[in-house]
Amino acid sequence: QSALTQPPSASGSPGQSVTISCTGTSSDVGGYNYVSWYQQHPGKAPKLMIYEVTQRPSGVPDRFSGSKSGNTASLTVSGLQAEDEADYYCSSYAGSKTLLFGGGTKLTVL
Amino acid sequence: EVQLVESGGGLVQPGGSLRLSCAASGFTFNNYPMSWVRQAPGKGLEWVSAISGGGDFTLYADSVKGRFTISRDNSKDTLFLEMNSLRAEDTALYYCAKRRAAAGHNFDSWGQGTLVTVSS
Repeated sequence: QSALTQPPSASGSPGQSVTISCTGTSSDVGGYNYVSWYQQHPGKAPKLMIYEVTQRPSGVPDRFSGSKSGNTASLTVSGLQAEDEADYYCSSYAGSKTLLFGGGTKLTVL
Repeated sequence: EVQLVESGGGLVQPGGSLRLSCAASGFTFNNYPMSWVRQAPGKGLEWVSAISGGGDFTLYADSVKGRFTISRDNSKDTLFLEMNSLRAEDTALYYCAKRRAAAGHNFDSWGQGTLVTVSS
């Protein structure tokens, strides 16, 4: 199974909104509502930001939102802040109890 | 507070073996499936293996199937990853991760990782 496809980079100015895509297939992203998004700052462990496509864990700002259409999931960060600059990874259940990650997107706050 | 602390990483020659451990605290360990996720230097995340809360059900990525074995000791709140026939491409930071809920496919707690380097 191949990794999910994410753009290598994304950027926006403080206060703006940025959307990061995550494209898979009908066997993973499109077939299940088990898409998650993780934020990773340099040298740190990943942090869960979104699970089950749209759900936010407690403590995650509502500036972070998730959605899905067909085989593509998206993470939108609204009201960009400097601390949002990080790598973002999507993941999806891929059947047979396995899990796929995307290649990661480096978000730069200009 | 949930804590996951990995150990056991190091430098090993190709073909060698290594056993990773992850000590858990702050939650009822045997209630939660656990996973290992790795990250090669400068690369993305890769799910490696998972184990059910009771330890009776295990899963592996194709890239490690037959070489790695996941296990857990619920009496000691510890997760393990036995790695054999190691290859250069297994070089990575290995994280243990706690599933957010008994069902579902996401991780709400991660350790800081232990580095495995496979090189001669």
